[in-house]
Amino acid sequence: EPEVTQTPSHQVTQMGQEVILRCVPISNHLYFYWYRQILGQKVEFLVSFYNNEISEKSEIFDDQFSVERPDGSNFTLKIRSTKLEDSAMYFCASRVEQLNTEAFFGQGTRLTVV
Amino acid sequence: DQQVKQNSPSLSVQEGRISILNCDYTNSMFDYFLWYKKYPAEGPTFLISISSIKDKNEDGRFTVFLNKSAKHLSLHIVPSQPGDSAVYFCAASPNYGQNFVFGPGTRLSVLP
Repeated sequence: EPEVTQTPSHQVTQMGQEVILRCVPISNHLYFYWYRQILGQKVEFLVSFYNNEISEKSEIFDDQFSVERPDGSNFTLKIRSTKLEDSAMYFCASRVEQLNTEAFFGQGTRLTVV
Repeated sequence: DQQVKQNSPSLSVQEGRISILNCDYTNSMFDYFLWYKKYPAEGPTFLISISSIKDKNEDGRFTVFLNKSAKHLSLHIVPSQPGDSAVYFCAASPNYGQNFVFGPGTRLSVLP
């Protein structure tokens, strides 16, 4: 069964460092997402991406964040200068269509900023 | 700003009985609703969805009911099994919107 894969599963980084979280969405999907879940809190939307551009983003997704689809398969989230409060589980998701379809989530990357 | 609410943080049910998880939403623009299940250290797994043109959708042991006038949906699991123990998230998507808004989750424990 096709699945969304994320690497690494756990990333530890020092405050102020740049991190890149990687995702391989399901191959025929067209819509891509990043969500995050801070420990003990709810899953929060960060950004959606379609046709090689950001289609929607939340207020969390500030100038420190960027996304890219560098080739036909990878979808990355970059945090330029990490802060302690960026520590969270980051989930990538993909969806075949925009309307009335479920999104498939990856297993997540646990980011720990120290 | 809690657009999607799950007022029960936890629920315990005996194996074989019915589990009913509830979700309320405030945004009348939401028209597509989903339930996800999540185990610790894993990503959310899609369970079942319902479009606003329906009031019920069934898939095996899982049934989702939607009451648009009350802005309320519920997930019924019958019969409940110990493997159903997980956190269940309600999520909603607005008209022509692309992102999902998640509720805070309900931790279901199914006791043998």
